[in-house]
Amino acid sequence: GQQVMQIPQYQHVQEGEDFTTYCNSSTTLSNIQWYKQRPGGHPVFLIQLVKSGEVKKQKRLTFQFGEAKKNSSLHITATQTTDVGTYFCAGPRDYKLSFGAGTTVTVRA
Amino acid sequence: DGGITQSPKYLFRKEGQNVTLSCEQNLNHDAMYWYRQDPGQGLRLIYYSQIVNDFQKGDIAEGYSVSREKKESFPLTVTSAQKNPTAFYLCASNLGGYQPQHFGDGTRLSIL
Repeated sequence: GQQVMQIPQYQHVQEGEDFTTYCNSSTTLSNIQWYKQRPGGHPVFLIQLVKSGEVKKQKRLTFQFGEAKKNSSLHITATQTTDVGTYFCAGPRDYKLSFGAGTTVTVRA
Repeated sequence: DGGITQSPKYLFRKEGQNVTLSCEQNLNHDAMYWYRQDPGQGLRLIYYSQIVNDFQKGDIAEGYSVSREKKESFPLTVTSAQKNPTAFYLCASNLGGYQPQHFGDGTRLSIL
């Protein structure tokens, strides 16, 4: 079945720097969702992208859906310690969601 | 406050024992899901239910069982057939299909 792949698996970032994490699918997705899981916590829904080429912003977070609707990215500007956690993308599969393995972000102060 | 409640937060299982994890939601969601999370492996779907009295196997259903007798409740039983049950178990719900999922706080299961 369709799977979403995320890279990188780990991202170590200096506080104040920017970084991007990517989500790729072998098949076209009708939509893509992003979740954040803080250490010791549970995943929390961040955003859903539906349209080809769609870009949405949440403060320092910018989410993009590729033109072919096969990939997505999350870009974080001026990383803060509050950005620590694991970011998951999820794509539809057989009326369910298929989650990527996640990108775990650590921040050096 | 609407949400999903999982209990207990921590659970220990003895060899040969079945244990049941509770998941209750008051969001009036039709669909409910159970995921297993191991370090570095993301979320793997165990079972899901899109409507009361109906449920389907996910990707890793072996050694697990569920029931959906009420809309609000979707308990997961980890049976003795599950030889490696140590993991973080997350319950989620949504309005169905590809709608965003809401997660409970999870249950950490360990072997004694």
